[in-house]
Amino acid sequence: DGGITQSPKYLFRKEGQNVTLSCEQNLNHDAMYWYRQDPGQGLRLIYYSQIVNDFQKGDIAEGYSVSREKKESFPLTVTSAQKNPTAFYLCASTPRTSGPRGHSEQFFGPGTRLTVL
Amino acid sequence: AQSVAQPEDQVNVAEGNPLTVKCTYSVSGNPYLFWYVQYPNRGLQFLLKYITGDNLVKGSYGFEAEFNKSQTSFHLKKPSALVSDSALYFCAVTGSARQLTFGSGTQLTVLP
Repeated sequence: DGGITQSPKYLFRKEGQNVTLSCEQNLNHDAMYWYRQDPGQGLRLIYYSQIVNDFQKGDIAEGYSVSREKKESFPLTVTSAQKNPTAFYLCASTPRTSGPRGHSEQFFGPGTRLTVL
Repeated sequence: AQSVAQPEDQVNVAEGNPLTVKCTYSVSGNPYLFWYVQYPNRGLQFLLKYITGDNLVKGSYGFEAEFNKSQTSFHLKKPSALVSDSALYFCAVTGSARQLTFGSGTQLTVLP
């Protein structure tokens, strides 16, 4: 988990409420990712960003939004449009965007567990 | 579309015995394969990866994995399991699409 922090560790949301999950890294990594983890389904990509001020939708972006104003920070907002947000959310980063020289492993934060009340 | 299959949701092994966690993949282009481990309520930790070269890859904590192109497999192995190896293990692949796809995970339990 070193170098990537996520906060809070536990988060509770009421119906119809937007919440923002924080992800900060001090590894000087270019690319950052948000995943959602549900039991028995592995990790699914929500959004990713390869450079500041740019981001792309992943496989399950509906009901989520992100920003990348700083290299170190990639916050995720879970909006009221996300109908089933209860899950474990993981943020990750890599040193560089994937390129012809190969693919770097991703470094993960400790996660945020979001529960809808 | 690329995909990863981990056919076993649960693997049980006695301490001191060898362990294998299975992974098969489907991807366009050359595969780049990864194994990660997750302890309860924690993020994923990188174990090892295959990019190119030797088909037997050695990683952290005594784990290794064998890349088999003809069988499109990348099974994780360890000669002698420890109770502390008990965790959730994920295989992942990326190819020409440059997007990482994870398997559904295998829960490894090492029995004392």
